[in-house]
Amino acid sequence: EAGVTQFPSHSVIEKGQTVTLRCDPISGHDNLYWYRRVMGKEIKFLLHFVKESKQDESGMPNNRFLAERTGGTYSTLKVQPAELEDSGVYFCASSSQGWDEAFFGQGTRLTVV
Amino acid sequence: AQSVAQPEDQVNVAEGNPLTVKCTYSVSGNPYLFWYVQYPNRGLQFLLKYITGDNLVKGSYGFEAEFNKSQTSFHLKKPSALVSDSALYFCAVRDRRSSASKIIFGSGTRLSIRP
Repeated sequence: EAGVTQFPSHSVIEKGQTVTLRCDPISGHDNLYWYRRVMGKEIKFLLHFVKESKQDESGMPNNRFLAERTGGTYSTLKVQPAELEDSGVYFCASSSQGWDEAFFGQGTRLTVV
Repeated sequence: AQSVAQPEDQVNVAEGNPLTVKCTYSVSGNPYLFWYVQYPNRGLQFLLKYITGDNLVKGSYGFEAEFNKSQTSFHLKKPSALVSDSALYFCAVRDRRSSASKIIFGSGTRLSIRP
C-alpha cells in the first residue's frame, strides 16, 4: 500500500511568488490534514478535509493560503503571494476513521527568500 | 481548547538505561492520544496510540506509554534505550467527542541516546 506522498520535497521561492504544494493521501482515506512546522516550533494544524469538504480550517494563517481537495482525492495548498514567514515544513497526513492514527507524508520544505 | 505540552526540549539518556519522554494534555473529556517519531529527513512515523482499555499501551520499537487520567499525562517510556532511538518525538491528542476533530501536536522533544 502506498503511503502519503507530497510534492515537491523542497521548494525555494522569492517573496511575492506563488507556490502550490500537493498531497496524495492513502487511497480510501476520507480525512486529510495539512500541518506546518516552523523551525524548532510545534507542528501547527492548518486545516482538515473530510472527503472534499473543509471540516476545519481554523489554522489557516490568512487568505494568502488556499487549500483544495479535488473529488475527495489529492489536495493542493497554494500560497499566493508568499511571504518570508511562510517558510517551514508543510506536512500532509491522512486517516481512515476519526480514532485512527494519521499517516504522514515526508513533508515539503518551503523556503521563501 | 485542546493543547499538548511537552515540557522538555531535549532528553539525554545513556544507552541501555530506561527513558521517559513527558507529555501532558488539556482536552475536555477523554481524548485519543498518540506518539509520533521523526527521524532526520523523514516524515512523522506513528509509534502508538491510546484509544480505550488498558492504560499501558505498547507500540513500535519497544516503546510504551501510560495514560494517566488524573494527571492528564501520556508519558512515553522504554526500558532500555538504543542509540538508534535518537530522534524527535511528538505527543498528540484528539478530542474523541467528534470523529472529525483535528489532531493537536506538542512542540516535540529531542531524544539523544549516547553510546
